[in-house]
Amino acid sequence: EVQLLESGGDLQQPGGSLRLSCAASGFPFSTFAMSWVRQAPGKGLEWVASVNGNGQHTYYAESVRGRFSISRDNSKNTLTLQMSRLRPEDTAVYYCAKDPTKNPRPFRFDSWGQGTLVTVSS
Amino acid sequence: DIQMTQSPSSLSASFGDRVTITCQASQDIMHYINWYQQKPGRAPKLLIYDASDLEKGVPSRFSGSGSGTDFTFTINNLQSEDLGTYYCQQYHHLPLTFGGGTKVEIK
Repeated sequence: EVQLLESGGDLQQPGGSLRLSCAASGFPFSTFAMSWVRQAPGKGLEWVASVNGNGQHTYYAESVRGRFSISRDNSKNTLTLQMSRLRPEDTAVYYCAKDPTKNPRPFRFDSWGQGTLVTVSS
Repeated sequence: DIQMTQSPSSLSASFGDRVTITCQASQDIMHYINWYQQKPGRAPKLLIYDASDLEKGVPSRFSGSGSGTDFTFTINNLQSEDLGTYYCQQYHHLPLTFGGGTKVEIK
């Protein structure tokens, strides 16, 4: 059974940094692209970033490019999102999500974690 | 960026009804659209991929159709467990973009 477990969400001041992690199990982690998708309170879904299976190709939404960095450690089955220069509009539940298609870039998300809440406020 | 315009934003229907949600893309996305269900307080769940393919384990009362810029998602024989918010998502071009969501309530 695929399991994705996010951690690291917290309250952070504007301009601060935060590191989110996603522990994956139940599937060959290095085979599939992985992504972060966020949802602001009471709002819809927003794709944030993706990384291909071997970690060599990354993709970002314009709203986070240059501030967030996605990476993966295939030896530990872990996905990471390093967030810096945080803004109040980054406040959201952040979901880790798996793509089932074996393509280098994301197509769809067939498994999701439970989410971790990031709050950016002074 | 490709804009996905989803409608309606909310609807109320009775058990057994047929529910239809539409999504219009701002440009041709061929059949590169997926549909998700999100129940309150839960992560989204993939229901339909590639416009019309049913994800494994998803009941057959859910279906999708369309190509190009206009897409339809249908729930036949609405059940109580179908309440939630439904989102379309395109993957023809990055950035991946989602529709604004349709909240489905049971009368």
